[in-house]
Amino acid sequence: GAVVSQHPSRVICKSGTSVKIECRSLDFQATTMFWYRQFPKQSLMLMATSNEGSKATYEQGVEKDKFLINHASLTLSTLTVTSAHPEDSSFYICSARGVLAVTDTQYFGPGTRLTVL
Amino acid sequence: RKEVEQDPGPFNVPEGATVAFNCTYSNSASQSFFWYRQDCRKEPKLLMSVYSSGNEDGRFTAQLNRASQYISLLIRDSKLSDSATYLCVVKGDSNYQLIWGAGTKLIIKP
Repeated sequence: GAVVSQHPSRVICKSGTSVKIECRSLDFQATTMFWYRQFPKQSLMLMATSNEGSKATYEQGVEKDKFLINHASLTLSTLTVTSAHPEDSSFYICSARGVLAVTDTQYFGPGTRLTVL
Repeated sequence: RKEVEQDPGPFNVPEGATVAFNCTYSNSASQSFFWYRQDCRKEPKLLMSVYSSGNEDGRFTAQLNRASQYISLLIRDSKLSDSATYLCVVKGDSNYQLIWGAGTKLIIKP
């Protein structure tokens, strides 16, 4: 089956620093990648949708200047949390949809747990 | 009203019992429906898609009622390994966006 990796799996950083999270589709090409955030005991919340080679589409309430998304290739998307604050601490999950996908299936990465001190 | 609503649980169920989850969605134009399972501190994994005619996969049965905008998941002969949070997911209008329910936590007890 399709495999999506994320790196790092866990990161702890100081307030004010920036953190980059990578999402890679390992055995397929992904035209579309999605970035989600999940707070404890809450649902996944879509932050943004990124298409290879174009600007990401952000959901309402998500600051595009704070959460920078780059989808430079068909196998890699990155999310950079700039000037992180403790309220940004969350579980960040990416998912990818394949180029040849005929269904709505998204393949999820294992997630990145961000803790901002 | 939330777009996708689920009973948060937790459901505490003895091993071997049958358990049912319900989910309602608000957008009558929704076309695709899924059940995902999420273990603690892990990413969600697709359990099964939900088809109009209903579908079964081993001990799992999913049903869709479009008139009532209601989706269900039935787990028979529950196992300890079924303990997880079950997420109801509905495809949104555009760009393959998935709308997620908050999930129902299931705890299977020996």
